[in-house]
Amino acid sequence: NAGVTQTPKFQVLKTGQSMTLQCAQDMNHNSMYWYRQDPGMGLRLIYYSASEGTTDKGEVPNGYNVSRLNKREFSLRLESAAPSQTSVYFCASRTGHYGYTFGSGTRLTVV
Amino acid sequence: GESVGLHLPTLSVQEGDNSIINCAYSNSASDYFIWYKQESGKGPQFIIDIRSNMDKRQGQRVTVLLNKTVKHLSLQIAATQPGDSAVYFCAEISANAGGTSYGKLTFGQGTILTVHP
Repeated sequence: NAGVTQTPKFQVLKTGQSMTLQCAQDMNHNSMYWYRQDPGMGLRLIYYSASEGTTDKGEVPNGYNVSRLNKREFSLRLESAAPSQTSVYFCASRTGHYGYTFGSGTRLTVV
Repeated sequence: GESVGLHLPTLSVQEGDNSIINCAYSNSASDYFIWYKQESGKGPQFIIDIRSNMDKRQGQRVTVLLNKTVKHLSLQIAATQPGDSAVYFCAEISANAGGTSYGKLTFGQGTILTVHP
């Protein structure tokens, strides 16, 4: 089925370790987004890519980097994980001005 | 800064009752509002949307009302079912006066809806 695919679904890291969260969409959407969701909170924007070849900071970018590898893929990297980055991470893609589609999330725990 | 927030963090209803979930927003430039449903372990799922030039929009068992005067919107769910139990978020997208917009989506805190059989 068409949609947004995130890997991995679960991950446990030690403080200081690095990892990359992968996201791919097969809907030919131009824009892609990374959000984090903390307990009892709405989603907050980390980084976004309005189109292939561009990336910009969102509301909470510190401690993260992103790469828009091609039109389909948008990865989120944690260079040195911290406990404050324990969260659920959602990737989304968008067509037009309004049509967001979300992935099922990656649950990350940093110990 | 701009924010979208909810009045009630939790709502418990009996099956068959109508549910009303409220949301306040502060950005008067918002031109589009969306309600999402999020079930445990899943990403947000689109329920219904409304543009700022509308006051009301109806879907299947759901209605969204927008009051721009007081910057308030609500989600009404008719004949609530146990499968409606989830966290509900309102979100808004601001108009971009600069041309092509990346359509920044700003979420509220969320309301937990629990439907008892």
